[in-house]
Amino acid sequence: SQQGEEDPQALSIQEGENATMNCSYKTSINNLQWYRQNSGRGLVHLILIRSNEREKHSGRLRVTLDTSKKSSSLLITASRAADTASYFCATGPPGGSRLTFGEGTQLTVNP
Amino acid sequence: DTEVTQTPKHLVMGMTNKKSLKCEQHMGHRAMYWYKQKAKKPPELMFVYSYEKLSINESVPSRFSPECPNSSLLNLHLHALQPEDSALYLCASSQPFGAGELFFGEGSRLTVL
Repeated sequence: SQQGEEDPQALSIQEGENATMNCSYKTSINNLQWYRQNSGRGLVHLILIRSNEREKHSGRLRVTLDTSKKSSSLLITASRAADTASYFCATGPPGGSRLTFGEGTQLTVNP
Repeated sequence: DTEVTQTPKHLVMGMTNKKSLKCEQHMGHRAMYWYKQKAKKPPELMFVYSYEKLSINESVPSRFSPECPNSSLLNLHLHALQPEDSALYLCASSQPFGAGELFFGEGSRLTVL
């Protein structure tokens, strides 16, 4: 079964608004990653946060990690129509190479 | 532009056909992966190759046969597939140690009639 669960499953916002997606996981992790997938395309890596980090920024992206709650959030600020995509969190176990993906959040940014 | 190239982009095959999916990367990565993705679902890991050796097989049916001829190439041989095997097949590569960033190809859309 998949390690991560994401919510919401779908999110629709207006251009310029912020979008927040959440990810929960069940077991110990080495790192947590976020990926974006445009419809019918491959996944693109967005950001990786290690288990000993609490927050990380990359451009308009902000990721937080709370290992005590086994949860992470992805914030996209000042969203654009081009941000419309599915967003997946993925967790990597300590010492392992198996990345497990969450169920994903479908983000729609309306112009 | 992706640095992982998958061919073909689309494939339609009958249940008795034999076909192959191909994946190539030139980033010097020594780990390569096959994932299967159904519509509106997350990618599911099928196989992992590390240093050209199969290291993970997620109990995939034998009608899927992976092959890693060298460090840049990864194939997935398909034989006697079922309609429920229709999906997007994604190849990815990464550095071999730990669960680091994956670089994905654009995928091969497979339809089994």
